[in-house]
Amino acid sequence: NAGVMQNPRHLVRRRGQEARLRCSPMKGHSHVYWYRQLPEEGLKFMVYLQKENIIDESGMPKERFSAEFPKEGPSILRIQQVVRGDSAAYFCASSLPTGIQETQYFGPGTRLLVL
Amino acid sequence: ELKVEQNPLFLSMQEGKNYTIYCNYSTTSDRLYWYRQDPGKSLESLFVLLSNGAVKQEGRLMASLDTKARLSTLHITAAVHDLSATYFCAVSYTGTASKLTFGTGTRLQVTL
Repeated sequence: NAGVMQNPRHLVRRRGQEARLRCSPMKGHSHVYWYRQLPEEGLKFMVYLQKENIIDESGMPKERFSAEFPKEGPSILRIQQVVRGDSAAYFCASSLPTGIQETQYFGPGTRLLVL
Repeated sequence: ELKVEQNPLFLSMQEGKNYTIYCNYSTTSDRLYWYRQDPGKSLESLFVLLSNGAVKQEGRLMASLDTKARLSTLHITAAVHDLSATYFCAVSYTGTASKLTFGTGTRLQVTL
């Protein structure tokens, strides 16, 4: 039973380039979350998606960042025109809403380094 | 705005000793989670606590929740080196699937 998968695991970009991060949720999971972790800090919520819908994007920067979770395929977090401050670990989590006991399961993360 | 605070931020303890990590949160919450993260790794779910007075135990770790005090504790009994990691508490506060607000993390180092 594969867990949450993310790729790439490491990504290096120069300032101004685009970064695309992919997340495949656990089988049967319909909810996807993206979080960002800066060095030595906790995770910060970015966006919550269900298939073809953005449910909550209150943690997403207003510019340059976008996310999608299409009907088919992985969820994508896209960062346009990256800056050094975007360097962080980006984690995806998925969940299967089973009521009050719902738990988010995290992927291995993508470590983005902007040069 | 929901705030989640943990203390201590860093904890160095000897094997065999007991200690407690504290997690305070600012707003009424539906659920409280504890996660473990090893360096450079992802987060591993440890506990989900739902109701006042809830207590869960797994091995040397025991988590409890006091919703009236908005406080959760993670108690470590007779620590072993394998428990060295960073521990995060996280809170969600809406009825169903929702974002988690994480604490700052407690970096635990267990020494021989």
